[in-house]
Amino acid sequence: NAGVTQTPKFQVLKTGQSMTLQCAQDMNHNSMYWYRQDPGMGLRLIYYSASEGTTDKGEVPNGYNVSRLNKREFSLRLESAAPSQTSVYFCASSPFTSGNTIYFGEGSWLTVV
Amino acid sequence: KQEVTQIPAALSVPEGENLVLNCSFTDSAIYNLQWFRQDPGKGLTSLLLIQSSQREQTSGRLNASLDKSSGRSTLYIAASQPGDSATYLCAVRTGNQFYFGTGTSLTVIP
Repeated sequence: NAGVTQTPKFQVLKTGQSMTLQCAQDMNHNSMYWYRQDPGMGLRLIYYSASEGTTDKGEVPNGYNVSRLNKREFSLRLESAAPSQTSVYFCASSPFTSGNTIYFGEGSWLTVV
Repeated sequence: KQEVTQIPAALSVPEGENLVLNCSFTDSAIYNLQWFRQDPGKGLTSLLLIQSSQREQTSGRLNASLDKSSGRSTLYIAASQPGDSATYLCAVRTGNQFYFGTGTSLTVIP
């Protein structure tokens, strides 16, 4: 069972470079999420997609863009990386119905130097 | 905006002890509350899910309670083991968003 798959797992970027984090889920979930996790800050929502074709900003969207390519895939793009974007990024998915849980990928460790 | 707080931030106990982790939230209009476990360098694994209409859920040595009106939840771990060492996070679902606490880092000493 693949669940939620994120790539890459580790990446080092130079300031100003761009990159895309890829996420795919095989559980036929409607909703997908991108979070970042920083020490002492907990998980903060960057963007989410309630359903295919829609995306919405979360708590910390500045410096990021997202694409819900289809129901399975939700990518996160850093157009011009900054050291403040050094973090662990988690993709997650959930069925749309309110009673359901959320499933996480293994995380992507990003360092911007 | 929903805010979720977990106290304590860190906890160290000897093996075999029973322990309680606390979670509080500011907006009681939630669909559910979940407890997660996170091991170093890993993603989050769901432990227990409590719907807003429920008072508690149990899984093995874990018992989670929910008092929605007071905005509180507890995770009770019985007979702790070194393998329980991890960070435990709670999250509440409000609308289509999930709000997370900053977690309690648990160390169980053999």
